[in-house]
Amino acid sequence: DVKVTQSSRYLVKRTGEKVFLECVQDMDHENMFWYRQDPGLGLRLIYFSYDVKMKEKGDIPEGYSVSREKKERFSLILESASTNQTSMYLCASSSLQGLGQILNTEAFFGQGTRLTVV
Amino acid sequence: GQQVMQIPQYQHVQEGEDFTTYCNSSTTLSNIQWYKQRPGGHPVFLIQLVKSGEVKKQKRLTFQFGEAKKNSSLHITATQTTDVGTYFCAGQSRSNDYKLSFGAGTTVTVRA
Repeated sequence: DVKVTQSSRYLVKRTGEKVFLECVQDMDHENMFWYRQDPGLGLRLIYFSYDVKMKEKGDIPEGYSVSREKKERFSLILESASTNQTSMYLCASSSLQGLGQILNTEAFFGQGTRLTVV
Repeated sequence: GQQVMQIPQYQHVQEGEDFTTYCNSSTTLSNIQWYKQRPGGHPVFLIQLVKSGEVKKQKRLTFQFGEAKKNSSLHITATQTTDVGTYFCAGQSRSNDYKLSFGAGTTVTVRA
């Protein structure tokens, strides 16, 4: 059974703290993604990575950074947490398909981390 | 940059009725994926459409990709309470093959 595992289901942090959200996948996928989900805004892409040590900014990267030292692990870092970063964070992974054009296959999501910054 | 818009944001449906949710992109897409998120759950892949004008069916769900590859739709017939949840489309474009951008979703509630 394929699996994407996020380290915490619920997290409460104080403003200004450095926060690490960890995600591990066991499918040997090339691509990994971090999204945040807020009511009415859907899934917004923060960062993604298509290879070890590679990272690309998504649509809302401000206030976040990422690390991918190993293929199976993708970490999201909040350098100095703020209350507007209170949200549900979802990690996903996918493999690549295609010859002439590389596309993502279906993405598998973790259970999510609900982060509250107080 | 690439934007994927979904309408409507909310859909309240009487059990047994049909409904359609739409996904529109500002750019031509290479493919489009659809996901369903049950309340309290995480998004789960439903289907991927790649070809212009493609139509795929999964039981009561019909997915369509527009001829211009800039829009897509999901039509559900004879809605059941098990259809409750949020439906997302996710598009990929030629300009950035690895990026998977989601729409805001259509949240469906069903009246029994």
